Amino acid sequence: NAGVMQNPRHLVRRRGQEARLRCSPMKGHSHVYWYRQLPEEGLKFMVYLQKENIIDESGMPKERFSAEFPKEGPSILRIQQVVRGDSAAYFCASSHSESTGAYGYTFGSGTRLTVV
Amino acid sequence: DAKTTQPTSMDCAEGRAANLPCNHSTISGNEYVYWYRQIHSQGPQYIIHGLKNNETNEMASLIITEDRKSSTLILPHATLRDTAVYYCIVGETSYDKVIFGPGTSLSVIP
Repeated sequence: NAGVMQNPRHLVRRRGQEARLRCSPMKGHSHVYWYRQLPEEGLKFMVYLQKENIIDESGMPKERFSAEFPKEGPSILRIQQVVRGDSAAYFCASSHSESTGAYGYTFGSGTRLTVV
Repeated sequence: DAKTTQPTSMDCAEGRAANLPCNHSTISGNEYVYWYRQIHSQGPQYIIHGLKNNETNEMASLIITEDRKSSTLILPHATLRDTAVYYCIVGETSYDKVIFGPGTSLSVIP
């Protein structure tokens, strides 16, 4: 049973370009969570999605950031017009259902975004 | 905001037990205590969780005080690979998003 798969592992973008980060949850998991970790800082919650729905996006920056989790395919975190301050590790987690809560969280290995 | 407080850092000798404390004085009756850890540059890893009773699994033991206002994660025989940041989190078993605090940076020393 494969774990949470994130790709790419490393992504380099020039300022102003778009970054697309993909997350495939564990098999059977229908809940996806995105976190950002700036260099030398802690993990910050960004957004919680279920299939085709955004449940909680209270941690998402108001501009340039969007997330989706379509009926088919991986969850996508999209960052438009990237700036140097977007350079960070982005982690995705998945869980099976609401009842499992934090216990059911499995994290991926992350995508390291570098904006040059 | 995180609802727990943990020491910023701790050292532990290799082979000895590592005891990581956590205070959660405002925990409510239906909230669990969860522990995760993050080894450098990797994604966080679930360790253990509990409600009232002490819990043990292949990785660690969790001791929760009777009033549930604090807990201790015990790694019985720490190895160098246990060097990581350890996060104590409280939350319900609903979807509720996991809010990470700064955690405790554990260094296992040879």
